[in-house]
Amino acid sequence: AQSVTQLDSHVSVSEGTPVLLRCNYSSSYSPSLFWYVQHPNKGLQLLLKYTSAATLVKGINGFEAEFKKSETSFHLTKPSAHMSDAAEYFCVVSDLSSSASKIIFGSGTRLSIRP
Amino acid sequence: NAGVTQTPKFRVLKTGQSMTLLCAQDMNHEYMYWYRQDPGMGLRLIHYSVGEGTTAKGEVPDGYNVSRLKKQNFLLGLESAAPSQTSVYFCASRTGQGVVETQYFGPGTRLLVL
Repeated sequence: AQSVTQLDSHVSVSEGTPVLLRCNYSSSYSPSLFWYVQHPNKGLQLLLKYTSAATLVKGINGFEAEFKKSETSFHLTKPSAHMSDAAEYFCVVSDLSSSASKIIFGSGTRLSIRP
Repeated sequence: NAGVTQTPKFRVLKTGQSMTLLCAQDMNHEYMYWYRQDPGMGLRLIHYSVGEGTTAKGEVPDGYNVSRLKKQNFLLGLESAAPSQTSVYFCASRTGQGVVETQYFGPGTRLLVL
């Protein structure tokens, strides 16, 4: 069965410093992985997705994630945090055992940005 | 092109009352999903549909029913609301082709059951 673990429930960084949000996955198959962002009182927006074409995936707003099979990780990074990055971030893995293309969410990481 | 829309945005119910949440998408997507979001638990799948006239149970289906009479609409019903159903509900849709296709989410419905 597929699962995903977000290692930090809350991350706080200063504006202009790097961001690292950690995600580990478990999958019996070669997984598809996603990062979604949720700003306060908003819906979820796709940041990026890994589809096995390239291990380093670039997303919107300067975010990127690297798929590391040996470490079963898909960490999200950004070189320089901006105040507008403050949000909840979800790591998501596709449930390949499902014929309905379901996805499984991690518990989320809340990113705070200090001025 | 509005994407995925949800009505209502916010609702307060008393225990035992019923209500229906409406999800609509204008992207001609085959698959539609209902999730609930609770603090510290990410999103959990309630029910889903792989096409008009078909529905299936997700991870937490108890206390909910769904219907997909039209391809563009996916309704979530609570027959007898309970305080445990206080949550934020999200609808999503996607095309039916390919494992890596993105799910598109609506803005959510906040439900408070007293």
